[in-house]
Amino acid sequence: EAGVAQSPRYKIIEKRQSVAFWCNPISGHATLYWYQQILGQGPKLLIQFQNNGVVDDSQLPKDRFSAERLKGVDSTLKIQPAKLEDSAVYLCASSLWTVNTGELFFGEGSRLTVL
Amino acid sequence: DQQVKQNSPSLSVQEGRISILNCDYTNSMFDYFLWYKKYPAEGPTFLISISSIKDKNEDGRFTVFLNKSAKHLSLHIVPSQPGDSAVYFCAASGQGGSEKLVFGKGTKLTVNP
Repeated sequence: EAGVAQSPRYKIIEKRQSVAFWCNPISGHATLYWYQQILGQGPKLLIQFQNNGVVDDSQLPKDRFSAERLKGVDSTLKIQPAKLEDSAVYLCASSLWTVNTGELFFGEGSRLTVL
Repeated sequence: DQQVKQNSPSLSVQEGRISILNCDYTNSMFDYFLWYKKYPAEGPTFLISISSIKDKNEDGRFTVFLNKSAKHLSLHIVPSQPGDSAVYFCAASGQGGSEKLVFGKGTKLTVNP
């Protein structure tokens, strides 16, 4: 079974530039999550999708971050314009439904460095 | 406000001995807890979970203990192996796990041969 795929693995940009990350979840997983992990911190949920719909985006900085999930499968997370404090690893995860049915399956992450 | 706390940033143990990783939480609405393991340059992988209706869950070398009155859980690894060297994250959720996961900062475990 293929895991959660993310790209790019690494990205370096200047502040005020834009960046986009892509995620392909495990086939059949209805729920998709984007987490931000800053160095030395635990992952923090940015947004959760259930199929096409947004379940929770309370911690997404909506003035600069946006996310969409196309046809309930792939997802993209965009940052525009980027700030220095956005430097982090962006983790995509998926699950069959919600976390209590098992666990979240994480991708390898996309490491963003903002200079 | 950190709702899930892992107060030990690192832990070092000898191969074959017991590793005990601790986690405290402040939100009394949390009722489902998980441990994830993370190797460098990889995403976290699920290790073990426990519901608040239980006080212990065991899976091979890994056991999680939950003390609800103290709002404390711990992960025991016996015996520890060098391959267990990783960062371990404690996570918690409410409403039986249907709410979003809140992660601790992680504890880096090093198992020395």
